[in-house]
Amino acid sequence: DQQVKQNSPSLSVQEGRISILNCDYTNSMFDYFLWYKKYPAEGPTFLISISSIKDKNEDGRFTVFLNKSAKHLSLHIVPSQPGDSAVYFCAASPGGSQGNLIFGKGTKLSVKP
Amino acid sequence: SAVISQKPSRDICQRGTSLTIQCQVDSQVTMMFWYRQQPGQSLTLIATANQGSEATYESGFVIDKFPISRPNLTFSTLTVSNMSPEDSSIYLCSVVQGWGNTIYFGEGSWLTVV
Repeated sequence: DQQVKQNSPSLSVQEGRISILNCDYTNSMFDYFLWYKKYPAEGPTFLISISSIKDKNEDGRFTVFLNKSAKHLSLHIVPSQPGDSAVYFCAASPGGSQGNLIFGKGTKLSVKP
Repeated sequence: SAVISQKPSRDICQRGTSLTIQCQVDSQVTMMFWYRQQPGQSLTLIATANQGSEATYESGFVIDKFPISRPNLTFSTLTVSNMSPEDSSIYLCSVVQGWGNTIYFGEGSWLTVV
């Protein structure tokens, strides 16, 4: 049973608009959440993270929102750029287990010029 | 963040053979981790490579199939033994750095078993 779910395998948005990538989790013990971006033929690149004690974290064009009661997090990219086209993975960390991240299956974002 | 280099970046392997993947980090790190991403799947932790002791394997992964070495604080190897087509995956070396449990990945080693 998947503990971290990204229910949209793909998303297409227009350049300049907002991209919203969603992620749901089932384990209430997760205390740290991350987003990674992956281009073809490259390893995943860390993008942004959020601790369970916060509900929002912002870094430039990227904002992650956490709704603990709904066990849901989302990544907002605004404005979206063609270079943002990649696969985005949501990941969650079980408390006290360093190095062990539970990943979703990813959402492929396509930003069209 | 640390620079993580992996070799080989890509290989095509014959069924039944073994391949060793190398991971080099440009700074000393306490913990190194090996992940796998099978086609269309999420990333899954194989094991934690501990310096000076045996690796710690996750459920579903065993030492005989995925022996790991960690001779020092900057280097680790993962061997995929007696390969079958199901082992065709991206194998990723990673380290934890900074605050929280943020993992940084190498470029990955793309293995295809024929």
